[in-house]
Amino acid sequence: KAGVTQTPRYLIKTRGQQVTLSCSPISGHRSVSWYQQTPGQGLQFLFEYFSETQRNKGNFPGRFSGRQFSNSRSEMNVSTLELGDSALYLCASSLDLADNEQFFGPGTRLTVL
Amino acid sequence: DAKTTQPPSMDCAEGRAANLPCNHSTISGNEYVYWYRQIHSQGPQYIIHGLKNNETNEMASLIITEDRKSSTLILPHATLRDTAVYYCIVRVRGDSNYQLIWGAGTKLIIKP
Repeated sequence: KAGVTQTPRYLIKTRGQQVTLSCSPISGHRSVSWYQQTPGQGLQFLFEYFSETQRNKGNFPGRFSGRQFSNSRSEMNVSTLELGDSALYLCASSLDLADNEQFFGPGTRLTVL
Repeated sequence: DAKTTQPPSMDCAEGRAANLPCNHSTISGNEYVYWYRQIHSQGPQYIIHGLKNNETNEMASLIITEDRKSSTLILPHATLRDTAVYYCIVRVRGDSNYQLIWGAGTKLIIKP
């Protein structure tokens, strides 16, 4: 069974631009969560989607948004990029909401110049 | 805010048991303790979780103190491939679902 895939793996943008990251969960998994990982703040929860609906949200500004499609694939979007948005963005999938085990993808490394 | 405290780094000899401590003194009665690890350049990997009782699986054992204020992850026979950052995490109830609150992690280095 293929694991969680994320595209692109690396991305360079400039301040003020917007970016869309994609995540394909493990086949059969219906819940997708997004995390931001930085050296200073560690892993921080962004949001979780299930059945195309956002079910949970972390403490990030409205510039961070996401969506989930009927095939469970998910995208997250960051608008008006800031230097501080440079981070590794991780996607994790699980069979269901509140499932005990989340499976993480390799992440997308975003650099904002 | 993180609900867990871990030592920033630890060493362990290959073949020995690695014991990774975690303090979670503010944990609530219905909040689970989870452990994940992250090997360099990869996404985190689930290891184990527990509420009150000690737990064991093919990867590790989790020992939770009776007052639930701390726990220890045990890797019984560490190998070089166990070198990673180990995260002790508390699962809390969010607005409409559960959230994993990640700590800073312990960088475990297994030495030959």
